[in-house]
Amino acid sequence: DADVTQTPRNRITKTGKRIMLECSQTKGHDRMYWYRQDPGLGLRLIYYSFDVKDINKGEISDGYSVSRQAQAKFSLSLESAIPNQTALYFCATALPNNEQFFGPGTRLTVL
Amino acid sequence: AQSVTQPDIHITVSEGASLELRCNYSYGATPYLFWYVQSPGQGLQLLLKYFSGDTLVQGIKGFEAEFKRSQSSFNLRKPSVHWSDAAEYFCAVVLYTGGFKTIFGAGTRLFVKA
Repeated sequence: DADVTQTPRNRITKTGKRIMLECSQTKGHDRMYWYRQDPGLGLRLIYYSFDVKDINKGEISDGYSVSRQAQAKFSLSLESAIPNQTALYFCATALPNNEQFFGPGTRLTVL
Repeated sequence: AQSVTQPDIHITVSEGASLELRCNYSYGATPYLFWYVQSPGQGLQLLLKYFSGDTLVQGIKGFEAEFKRSQSSFNLRKPSVHWSDAAEYFCAVVLYTGGFKTIFGAGTRLFVKA
């Protein structure tokens, strides 16, 4: 079984809809991250969490929110999706030295 | 401002040829350095990492990278490319700015021709 799983793997939605992307991990890591990937821009950090009570904004948090329900679960929400949020979204966990372990990604399309 | 530059958006090499992917960073101190690979439809996987010590590091799948402090570079190399190496490669640096922060390069897509 994969150490970091993401659901759904693909999602098509309409502008204005609320969307939740879920991430679960079995690695036992405290650190979890959400990134988005756009062609030519690499990965950009949306939010990160170092434990259940710790949530931090990344460089592009506007329009997104997160919930750390447990050490193993970290969800990303788009309260009102817009087309420029169409992207590939990755969840990752990390060791204290920031070596990261990525999920398979969720491809989100906002029409 | 701290940054990571991968100058080549894409590279095409013949199968069996050698490969070098470039990575330069802008940061005052020596960061932790990583190379990740992303195969189509998959997440990123760690190829290799550098924290300190020997500046030539070996990774998985026959890859290696050399840290050159004077050039602020961490270039990835492979002596003989296989068709299965076709993927996108990301350089990442971890900086300490009151807490650890990871910055990814924009990626280099590798195409392998027969």
